[in-house]
Amino acid sequence: EPEVTQTPSHQVTQMGQEVILRCVPISNHLYFYWYRQILGQKVEFLVSFYNNEISEKSEIFDDQFSVERPDGSNFTLKIRSTKLEDSAMYFCAIGDSYNSPLHFGNGTRLTVT
Amino acid sequence: AQSVSQHNHHVILSEAASLELGCNYSYGGTVNLFWYVQYPGQHLQLLLKYFSGDPLVKGIKGFEAEFIKSKFSFNLRKPSVQWSDTAEYFCAVIPGGYQKVTFGIGTKLQVIP
Repeated sequence: EPEVTQTPSHQVTQMGQEVILRCVPISNHLYFYWYRQILGQKVEFLVSFYNNEISEKSEIFDDQFSVERPDGSNFTLKIRSTKLEDSAMYFCAIGDSYNSPLHFGNGTRLTVT
Repeated sequence: AQSVSQHNHHVILSEAASLELGCNYSYGGTVNLFWYVQYPGQHLQLLLKYFSGDPLVKGIKGFEAEFIKSKFSFNLRKPSVQWSDTAEYFCAVIPGGYQKVTFGIGTKLQVIP
C-alpha cells in the first residue's frame, strides 16, 4: 500500500472549471511534491512544498496552479481554470528529507474535456 | 538543464531472460540515482537507490543497478525476469543540493510467459 492516499482516483472536468486534487499522507512527512505524467510522456516535476510554503516549482506551475496544506494533513493541488492540456495523471509524493527517495500516491487521472 | 535518458522505450522478453535497461543522465556533479517501477494500475514504487558507496546497488525483487560515474550511467539489471516483472520502469536523478526529481521517459517491460 502506498504511504500516501490520493483522491479522487479519476476526475473528469470541463475546460475552464476549477479542480482540486487531494493527497493525504499516512504519517508525518516534511516534504511534499506534485508531479504529473501526460500520457506517453515523462513524469514531470510541478512543485515542492516544505514548511508550509513552496520551496521549488517548475515552469509548468504557472498562476493557474496553487498548492496548500490547509489543515496540516491534506495537501492539495488546485487548478483554477483547466485547459485541455492539463489532462494527465497527477502524482502526489512525500519525502523525509530534501533529497530522499520519494513515496508516491496512486495518482489522480484528470481528464479535461 | 539536467536530463535523464532511457534508451529502450519498450522491451519484450521471455520469462527467464536477462534484463538490462539503460539510463544515462547529464549532470556533472554529485547525484542521487533511483529506479522506480510502476506496475499496471498501481503507484510508482522505489525499486532501488544509489547515494554513495558501492556503485553496485541491490534492490527489491532481485533487481540491481550499477552506477558508472565515468559513463554517467545507472543501468538496471535482473538476471532472470518473471511475468510479474511486467511494468514500466523509470530512472530518476536528484542532483546534489536540489529537491526535485528528474525522471526518464520510462521503459515499458513486457514479459511473456
